[in-house]
Amino acid sequence: EAQVTQNPRYLITVTGKKLTVTCSQNMNHEYMSWYRQDPGLGLRQIYYSMNVEVTDKGDVPEGYKVSRKEKRNFPLILESPSPNQTSLYFCASSVLAGASYEQYFGPGTRLTVT
Amino acid sequence: GNSVTQMEGPVTLSEEAFLTINCTYTATGYPSLFWYVQYPGEGLQLLLKATKADDKGSNKGFEATYRKETTSFHLEKGSVQVSDSAVYFCALGSGSNYKLTFGKGTLLTVNP
Repeated sequence: EAQVTQNPRYLITVTGKKLTVTCSQNMNHEYMSWYRQDPGLGLRQIYYSMNVEVTDKGDVPEGYKVSRKEKRNFPLILESPSPNQTSLYFCASSVLAGASYEQYFGPGTRLTVT
Repeated sequence: GNSVTQMEGPVTLSEEAFLTINCTYTATGYPSLFWYVQYPGEGLQLLLKATKADDKGSNKGFEATYRKETTSFHLEKGSVQVSDSAVYFCALGSGSNYKLTFGKGTLLTVNP
């Protein structure tokens, strides 16, 4: 089954404790991205990657890092989490379908930073 | 820059009612337009899309027409069901269309 998986699905942590949210896709997509979803703000892109070892900032990259060492994996790293990073996070991968790219989303990771 | 504005919710309807969720956009060039749906506790799923002016996207009884003259992509369904209760996001694909710019989402609740 074609899918994007994220782990963990739920995480409660404390300020300053480094954490990693994993993302993996089995569709051989080149493009992957991370979004955060906040009430009243919709989804905002954090980082994206166009291929292995190629990453770039999205709209809200502060406080986050990413890496793309393998095509299928795109982990999101919070080196020193703060309460304002409490949010719902989605990983997505994209494929060209006709004239546009379609994005496939993971199930989400709900992060709480106290 | 690119932006998407969709009607604020929440929207509450009775089963079999007609649904419209308005979406307008600002973009340079010729973007692709999408509607995504998020059911409770799940990620976003592509509902429908349109890639050029006057295209109509449709799926599961939902429709939206890409109107370049009014920069709009309103979502419609003739008869909603309780199972349609979800958050709906209008989105725009820009540049290489890798990146999506989302609206803030509209919560739809359909009562029996």
